[in-house]
Amino acid sequence: EAGVVQSPRYKIIEKKQPVAFWCNPISGHNTLYWYLQNLGQGPELLIRYENEEAVDDSQLPKDRFSAERLKGVDSTLKIQPAELGDSAVYLCASSLDRRTQETQYFGPGTRLLVL
Amino acid sequence: LAKTTQPISMDSYEGQEVNITCSHNNIATNDYITWYQQFPSQGPRFIIQGYKTKVTNEVASLFIPADRKSSTLSLPRVSLSDTAVYYCLVGGRDKLIFGTGTRLQVFP
Repeated sequence: EAGVVQSPRYKIIEKKQPVAFWCNPISGHNTLYWYLQNLGQGPELLIRYENEEAVDDSQLPKDRFSAERLKGVDSTLKIQPAELGDSAVYLCASSLDRRTQETQYFGPGTRLLVL
Repeated sequence: LAKTTQPISMDSYEGQEVNITCSHNNIATNDYITWYQQFPSQGPRFIIQGYKTKVTNEVASLFIPADRKSSTLSLPRVSLSDTAVYYCLVGGRDKLIFGTGTRLQVFP
């Protein structure tokens, strides 16, 4: 069974440029998560989707970050414009159903460097 | 804001038992406790999950006291390949908060 797929794996951009990350969850998983992980720290939840509905986006900086999960499958996380402090690893995870405390399966992450 | 804290690092030798604690004083009634392992350049990988008392699987045990304000991940007989960062995750439907992470170094 394929795991969570993320692309790109690495991205280097200049500040003020836009950037987008893509995630394909495990087939059949209804819940999708985007996390931000700074170096040496634990992941921090940015947004959680239940199918195509964002059920928790309280930690998403909405002035520059946006996300979508069209058709309740793949998801895209966008930053526009990027700032130096956005340099981090962006992790995507999926689970069967958040209501039943299902295990989250993580992708390898996208490492973003903003210059 | 709820905090979930762990020791920054731990050292061990192969074959020893390792116990990593996580403090989560503000745990809510509906929150579960989950532990993940993370290697460099990879996403976290599920180890074990529990709600109260003790849970055991083929790779680890999880001990949760009655007040649920802390939890302990126990890794029996660690090997070099267990060198990684270990995170506890507290939450459920309403929140998800990862701990600060514990870097475990296993020596031969």
